[in-house]
Amino acid sequence: EDKVVQSPLSLVVHEGDTVTLNCSYEVTNFRSLLWYKQEKKAPTFLFMLTSSGIEKKSGRLSSILDKKELFSILNITATQTGDSAVYLCAVERNAGNMLTFGGGTRLMVKP
Amino acid sequence: DAGVIQSPRHEVTEMGQEVTLRCKPISGHDYLFWYRQTMMRGLELLIYFNNNVPIDDSGMPEDRFSAKMPNASFSTLKIQPSEPRDSAVYFCASSTTSSEAFFGQGTRLTVV
Repeated sequence: EDKVVQSPLSLVVHEGDTVTLNCSYEVTNFRSLLWYKQEKKAPTFLFMLTSSGIEKKSGRLSSILDKKELFSILNITATQTGDSAVYLCAVERNAGNMLTFGGGTRLMVKP
Repeated sequence: DAGVIQSPRHEVTEMGQEVTLRCKPISGHDYLFWYRQTMMRGLELLIYFNNNVPIDDSGMPEDRFSAKMPNASFSTLKIQPSEPRDSAVYFCASSTTSSEAFFGQGTRLTVV
């Protein structure tokens, strides 16, 4: 059975801090790993990672995948209160496009 | 495109009643997914379709749950009879073979 484990479960930081969120996985026929941000409603897409060691970057957010050690990290630098959300990691198999989600990391950024 | 559209946004029903949740995927997307999200279990895949055909329904919790996709632009998830433990947010998502999944805004179901 596919498994995705995220840590920490929750995190409270102050504006300006840098945070690192972790995601480890076990999946048969791995295809990609995705990060989503969920505020109050629907998860919104952040990154899709398919290759090891290649950093993906979007503004203050960046992510990298290690397919040998089966994990990914999501970094957020200079955090802002608007970064407060649940960050979800999901893995996708080669067949079927279906996603298995981790439990999420709840990030709270205080002013 | 307006994105994935779900209705209703909120549903409150009494135990034993039938509930139907609706989803319109993004035009051109050939995969459609139904997920359920609860505090205890997080986001769980219930069922997904490819080209309107159900591919994997192993996540459907019980026979009380059923899903259909009569055409490429519409899907339903039905619970009959509903129970309080079905209370959750139900998300529909769609994708293409090579894209990430795009989620609808969800339906918050409360069964009392």
